[in-house]
This record gives sequence, C-alpha cells and structure tokens, in this order.
Amino acid sequence: SQKIEQNSEALNIQEGKTATLTCNYTNYSPAYLQWYRQDPGRGPVFLLLIRENEKEKRKERLKVTFDTTLKQSLFHITASQPADSATYLCALNSGGGADGLTFGKGTHLIIQP
Amino acid sequence: NAGVTQTPKFRILKIGQSMTLQCAQDMNHNYMYWYRQDPGMGLKLIYYSVGAGITDKGEVPNGYKVSRSTTEDFPLRLELAAPSQTSVYFCASSGTSRRAYEQYFGPGTRLTVT
Repeated sequence: SQKIEQNSEALNIQEGKTATLTCNYTNYSPAYLQWYRQDPGRGPVFLLLIRENEKEKRKERLKVTFDTTLKQSLFHITASQPADSATYLCALNSGGGADGLTFGKGTHLIIQP
Repeated sequence: NAGVTQTPKFRILKIGQSMTLQCAQDMNHNYMYWYRQDPGMGLKLIYYSVGAGITDKGEVPNGYKVSRSTTEDFPLRLELAAPSQTSVYFCASSGTSRRAYEQYFGPGTRLTVT
C-alpha cells in the first residue's frame, strides 16, 4: 500500500542551526511533492512545492530536495528561529493534479533559544 | 480576501444526529477539498470537487455527503453521526493557474460525537 513516513518524534534544534526534516514514501510515483506548516489549532499553510523533474527548490531560509530514486524529500530550515517551531507536513499528489493530496503525519519541530 | 472560511469552529453532536459543515472560498478557485485530521495522524481526503456540480470520493468518504452548487461553497454533510467521526475537519481550495497545486486551508471545524 502507499505510505508516507515522516520523523514521528519531535525534533529539537538549537536556534541558529539548520533543521532538516525527512519525508520518505513508498509505492508512489508522485508528480510533485509539497511541504506545509501547521500551528496548533490552525489549518496547514503551504510552504513549497517541488516537481519530479526538480532536484532542489529554495525560498528564503527554506530548501527542499526531491530524490525520486531514493523516494525521499528533505526539508531544510537554515538559521532556525523559535518562531519556526511548528509541525511540518509532507504531502504528495494522489494521482492527477486536482484529486487531492496524501499527507504524512508530520514532524513536530522545536527550536530552542 | 477572506480566503477559505469554515463554520462552525466547534460542535458537539450526539450519536445519530446530523449536521452540515460549511466551507466557502472567495478566491474563485475551481478545486475544493475536505480532509479530516485525527490526533497524531495525517490529513485524510474525504471528498473533492473540480468545479460546480462535480464531486468525487477521496480516501475516507463513508458516512459523508457533499454538494457543489456554486464555485464558492462546498458543504460537507454528516448523516447519522458516529463516534468514529470525531475529528478536526479542514476544507481547502486550489486554483487553476500554474500555481494550481498549492492548497489553501480553512481554520478547521473541531467535531466531537458522543
């Protein structure tokens, strides 16, 4: 069956360091992969999208890589800040572009001052 | 723009009761989605719509109904509520441009069925 795995335990990082989150998937051939941020009691907020033919995408302090051979995406936050503390969700398209996303359980990131 | 709005924010239902969760978006997006999120779990797709009058099942559609009579609104109906439907429900939308695939989420409805 199709599966998306993210670090199930909380990730504690010291402020100023780079946080790296992992998303692994099996039995998928996704056309694109997305990362979302979710704060407690709120809906997910879109961060970055990377397509299958892209190796890397950057946005300000964020960087995403996508390795379709390893079936893995890495999400990096450089110069991390306490305000980056949140749950980060990896999501893949289920099939076509409009038919919804399949989400991982998310990784809870804590940036300690 | 208000983005995606959902009502109510919280609701407690008794087993067997029915209710409609409301969702509206003001971004003129064609695509709309309903997800549920159980504690410690990923979001699961319930239903989606690619435009007014067109809906389709997602991963977990049982016990739910949807309709899409306008571009703006995408209500989710729970008939005969069951404890297994206790969850947080999120509505989302996405557009039709090159940036179509990013989804915009509402604030969620927290539903408890007792």
